[in-house]
Amino acid sequence: DTAVSQTPKYLVTQMGNDKSIKCEQNLGHDTMYWYKQDSKKFLKIMFSYNNKELIINETVPNRFSPKSPDKAHLNLHINSLELGDSAVYFCASSQKPRSGYTFGSGTRLTVV
Amino acid sequence: DAKTTQPNSMESNEEEPVHLPCNHSTISGTDYIHWYRQLPSQGPEYVIHGLTSNVNNRMASLAIAEDRKSSTLILHRATLRDAAVYYCILSSLGSQGNLIFGKGTKLSVKP
Repeated sequence: DTAVSQTPKYLVTQMGNDKSIKCEQNLGHDTMYWYKQDSKKFLKIMFSYNNKELIINETVPNRFSPKSPDKAHLNLHINSLELGDSAVYFCASSQKPRSGYTFGSGTRLTVV
Repeated sequence: DAKTTQPNSMESNEEEPVHLPCNHSTISGTDYIHWYRQLPSQGPEYVIHGLTSNVNNRMASLAIAEDRKSSTLILHRATLRDAAVYYCILSSLGSQGNLIFGKGTKLSVKP
């Protein structure tokens, strides 16, 4: 069983579209995260979600919105996609904020 | 945002020990030291973390300086599968514990 699973693995879409990436963890962790890794390989945190408390990185455009239907899921919705959104997006989870993180295998988003 | 300094790259020979250094001179008393690695085309993978004492697990050892201003990740016998980017990260109360990744050290392992 995959501990943190993301779908889809690859996503190619046109500018202006709205898309979602799903993330599920079966570890019973309390906190989930979304990270973005750009073409220069820098990993930047976008959101963390713990017990219905959402912490947003202030540099993330409001076109990005995380949605958590329950503790095991944290989906990422992106509206009006732009070319600069092309990147690999990683979901992660941890038992508590400062314990070890488990990452998913990533979703490579390409906006054309 | 990253408060750690690592060499951009290091090389190692297969089956030899590897010592990956990290400086974190501005570390506070409540900051945890985390190490992750990212193999090509994969997500980051947790390696080890610690607060003050040295830590060992099946993957590696973490040696923390007495003043906590530096640490060293030790891979006891490097394999080709250990070739990856290794990130040293401080987990701070100020960032709600969120991991802020820096550039990391790209480790190459030669057969």
